[in-house]
Amino acid sequence: QQQVKQSPQSLIVQKGGISIINCAYENTAFDYFPWYQQFPGKGPALLIAIRPDVSEKKEGRFTISFNKSAKQFSLHIMDSQPGDSATYFCAASPGAGSYQLTFGKGTKLSVIP
Amino acid sequence: DVKVTQSSRYLVKRTGEKVFLECVQDMDHENMFWYRQDPGLGLRLIYFSYDVKMKEKGDIPEGYSVSREKKERFSLILESASTNQTSMYLCASIPSRRTLGYTFGSGTRLTVV
Repeated sequence: QQQVKQSPQSLIVQKGGISIINCAYENTAFDYFPWYQQFPGKGPALLIAIRPDVSEKKEGRFTISFNKSAKQFSLHIMDSQPGDSATYFCAASPGAGSYQLTFGKGTKLSVIP
Repeated sequence: DVKVTQSSRYLVKRTGEKVFLECVQDMDHENMFWYRQDPGLGLRLIYFSYDVKMKEKGDIPEGYSVSREKKERFSLILESASTNQTSMYLCASIPSRRTLGYTFGSGTRLTVV
């Protein structure tokens, strides 16, 4: 049973455009939602994260929007750049004391000039 | 910078061989994880450990075991390698403060022939 569903599987965006990746979860025990960015040949790296007590978190060009009632969250990349081309994973963690992450299947983002 | 080092970048093993994948982290993190990454399936948790000599099964532990004799080292063992274990294996560690995020190694690409 897939607990974190991510879409789309791939995304092509023009330079300067907005990239949007969506995730939905099922387990209401999840209480921490990070996004990871992975470049080819590298392990994923933490990009930005949110807890369900806020509806939005922004760091530079990256914003997470969170809808607790719908059990959905999304990553927005504003002014997308070719250097943002990578695979993005959403994830969820089930509560204090747990360090496990359940990952989505990933979205391959290509930003074209 | 925290470093997670995986001993091999590429490995080719024969069906039925016992395979050891080694992971070492240098920042005294309590928590370590093994994931496998497959195209279209994302990252799936195999095993994790929150302390020396402690191990817990993740979502897909079948065919694998682990060893954590020292805090900095977490080994993944394929008892009898099979072709369906051909994959990218990622090791990660995190301190006991999950907002700091996982630090991943660069991965081991294992091919079982």
